[in-house]
Amino acid sequence: ELKVEQNPLFLSMQEGKNYTIYCNYSTTSDRLYWYRQDPGKSLESLFVLLSNGAVKQEGRLMASLDTKARLSTLHITAAVHDLSATYFCAVVETSGSRLTFGEGTQLTVNP
Amino acid sequence: NAGVTQTPKFQVLKTGQSMTLQCAQDMNHNSMYWYRQDPGMGLRLIYYSASEGTTDKGEVPNGYNVSRLNKREFSLRLESAAPSQTSVYFCASISMRLAGSNEQFFGPGTRLTVL
Repeated sequence: ELKVEQNPLFLSMQEGKNYTIYCNYSTTSDRLYWYRQDPGKSLESLFVLLSNGAVKQEGRLMASLDTKARLSTLHITAAVHDLSATYFCAVVETSGSRLTFGEGTQLTVNP
Repeated sequence: NAGVTQTPKFQVLKTGQSMTLQCAQDMNHNSMYWYRQDPGMGLRLIYYSASEGTTDKGEVPNGYNVSRLNKREFSLRLESAAPSQTSVYFCASISMRLAGSNEQFFGPGTRLTVL
């Protein structure tokens, strides 16, 4: 059974600082997703990573995928308060359709 | 395009009552999913449907049934609600095509309370 682990689960950081959220998964996968969720809201798609070495960037967020290490990272550059939210990664097994989520990382950016 | 729609948005049930949560997508996606999210927790997969006519159990299927009525619609039924099923339920869909958009879209959620 596919396991997806994120760390850290809680992250408190100051504005202007950089940090990385890690997402490890246990079996081969051909696609990985990152989502953002604000309190009381649904999930918003941030990135879809489809191949080894894929890197995508949007504003202060950059996601990468290493399929050999079964690892994805979400890097935050010069954090701002508006980035405070919970971030989830989710993985689809190779040749499958089942999408499994990590536990989520609750990010708080302090002024 | 409305994306993924869910009804109802809120529901309160008494223990033992039944209800069906409706989900529809207008993006011609093949795969649809039902998740539950408990406070402070991640999303747990209840059931999913890789394509029209197929359904499979996820991590937490007990107490639920699903129907993939057609390509657009995927419903979740609670036959005899229990307080442990109090949660927020999300429906999602994805194309699963290698080409084109692989983005997964989520509905707004249904907040269910079972008394």
